[in-house]
Amino acid sequence: GAGVSQSPRYKVAKRGQDVALRCDPISGHVSLFWYQQALGQGPEFLTYFQNEAQLDKSGLPSDRFFAERPEGSVSTLKIQRTQQEDSAVYLCASSTLAGGDDTQYFGPGTRLTVL
Amino acid sequence: GNSVTQMEGPVTLSEEAFLTINCTYTATGYPSLFWYVQYPGEGLQLLLKATKADDKGSNKGFEATYRKETTSFHLEKGSVQVSDSAVYFCALSSYSSASKIIFGSGTRLSIRP
Repeated sequence: GAGVSQSPRYKVAKRGQDVALRCDPISGHVSLFWYQQALGQGPEFLTYFQNEAQLDKSGLPSDRFFAERPEGSVSTLKIQRTQQEDSAVYLCASSTLAGGDDTQYFGPGTRLTVL
Repeated sequence: GNSVTQMEGPVTLSEEAFLTINCTYTATGYPSLFWYVQYPGEGLQLLLKATKADDKGSNKGFEATYRKETTSFHLEKGSVQVSDSAVYFCALSSYSSASKIIFGSGTRLSIRP
């Protein structure tokens, strides 16, 4: 079956531009997570949705970062007025929670480069 | 707070060598423990997991045992192959933190033919 997909795979933005990154989770997966992976580092948690409810946004680094999942499926991570320090790979993951299985399945990521 | 510390890389081994990548964790409660792998040019994949003390996760010849007494989850493989070259991440999650995964910084493994 189809895995988690993300688009675009690569994004180059000029400093100050707004960007929107899309995540399509595995069909039927209740939980959706966003992570940020800086070069040479492990991914770091940004935010978490259960269906359409954003239950944890403690990892968002600033108020320029905003995420939504209005219908409990596709999610968008928006970064306003991008800065060079926002350059990273943004990973999306989903999990089913069915039967207590909390395994997260990751998408390929969107590599954002801010010039 | 919860955290994961893993062996720094890069690690370079010859084919068929024995592999150990050390990982220790700090967590409240009873976290689930994971090893994820990132092959060159590919996304993050779950390699193995263990959900309670003394559980052993295994996959593709890799093994790791959940040791609560030493708060460790070391990754081992008896005979590595060139195709095992990748970055390996130790990680944990717990319901107390809404199942978000906390990753170590990763260990780059290179296997020489």
